[in-house]
Amino acid sequence: AQSVTQLDSQVPVFEEAPVELRCNYSSSVSVYLFWYVQYPNQGLQLLLKYLSGSTLVKGINGFEAEFNKSQTSFHLRKPSVHISDTAEYFCAVSDLWEGSSNTGKLIFGQGTTLQVKP
Amino acid sequence: DAGVTQSPTHLIKTRGQQVTLRCSPKSGHDTVSWYQQALGQGPQFIFQYYEEEERQRGNFPDRFSGHQFPNYSSELNVNALLLGDSALYLCASSLAGSRIGNQPQHFGDGTRLSIL
Repeated sequence: AQSVTQLDSQVPVFEEAPVELRCNYSSSVSVYLFWYVQYPNQGLQLLLKYLSGSTLVKGINGFEAEFNKSQTSFHLRKPSVHISDTAEYFCAVSDLWEGSSNTGKLIFGQGTTLQVKP
Repeated sequence: DAGVTQSPTHLIKTRGQQVTLRCSPKSGHDTVSWYQQALGQGPQFIFQYYEEEERQRGNFPDRFSGHQFPNYSSELNVNALLLGDSALYLCASSLAGSRIGNQPQHFGDGTRLSIL
């Protein structure tokens, strides 16, 4: 079974500093990887996705992530954060349904709270 | 272009009652998935509907059931509510295809269900 581990439950950082949110996954097959952001009292918004090709993926709001197959990681980075980036961030892997094509079912990590301080 | 809409926004029920949550997918999407997000946790997959049938199911009891209508909208029904069912219920829609796993899911803002 696939699983996702987000290594930090909370990441405090000062405004304009760089940040990295760590994500590791376990899978015996090829996967699709995603990062979502959740602002208070809202649903999830897609930040970026890795499907294939270049291992460095750029997303919205200046975020990027790097897929590392040998380390089964998909860490999210931003070179300079803003107060408005304060939110919950979720790493997710798309599950491969046994015996059939991928249905897109997402398996999420526990989330990382990014706290940007002025 | 309307995104995924869910209703109601908030709901309070008591143990043993039944509840129905509703979801309208993003325009052009035909696949609807439901997730349960307990406080402080990541969302957990409940089930997915495509072509009005349950396509895949997560590890949830039969008290959780669903339906998809011809217009692709969907309902999530939960019977015999337990305190542990208190959570944010998220609906996500996507476009099916030969390899729909690479079609990103678009989420609604959720229904906050509180069980007293």
